[in-house]
Amino acid sequence: DGGITQSPKYLFRKEGQNVTLSCEQNLNHDAMYWYRQDPGQGLRLIYYSQIVNDFQKGDIAEGYSVSREKKESFPLTVTSAQKNPTAFYLCASSISGSLGQPQHFGDGTRLSIL
Amino acid sequence: QQQVKQSPQSLIVQKGGISIINCAYENTAFDYFPWYQQFPGKGPALLIAIRPDVSEKKEGRFTISFNKSAKQFSLHIMDSQPGDSATYFCAASTSGQFYFGTGTSLTVIP
Repeated sequence: DGGITQSPKYLFRKEGQNVTLSCEQNLNHDAMYWYRQDPGQGLRLIYYSQIVNDFQKGDIAEGYSVSREKKESFPLTVTSAQKNPTAFYLCASSISGSLGQPQHFGDGTRLSIL
Repeated sequence: QQQVKQSPQSLIVQKGGISIINCAYENTAFDYFPWYQQFPGKGPALLIAIRPDVSEKKEGRFTISFNKSAKQFSLHIMDSQPGDSATYFCAASTSGQFYFGTGTSLTVIP
């Protein structure tokens, strides 16, 4: 069953702590994306990667970091520098990052502050 | 600055009615316009998409109308059903980057 798996579904962060959200895809897609979803603001792009070992900042990259060491994996770290991390985080992938291709989304991770 | 403007924010429709959601954009470089449906606690799922060389695309009860000169596109849901109650997002894409509208919460009343 092909798709995108995000884990965990719920995550809690303490002050000063870094946390990492997992995103794995078995669709053999080249491009992967991280979005943040807040009520009434739609989806905002944090980082994206069009190919292994390469990634680009999106509109709201401050306080976040990513890596793309494998085609199927694109973990997102929410660092302590992100002062308002409470949100719903969505990972997506598409066949190609350079052409208009549909994105497929995971079911998200909800991050809250303890 | 919102690259894609979506309206209305919320919509209530009677079962069997037509739901219409509108989006507008400014960047003429956009070359792909998808619509996504999202249920609570789930990720968005692709519903239907259109490219700017086509003025209309229909898939079942869902239709996209695209007006290139006005830089507007809309989603029409015919014969709306309670199961269509969800949040709908329009998006526009160029060079692999996607820009999303702020979403429309649709409620279909039985």
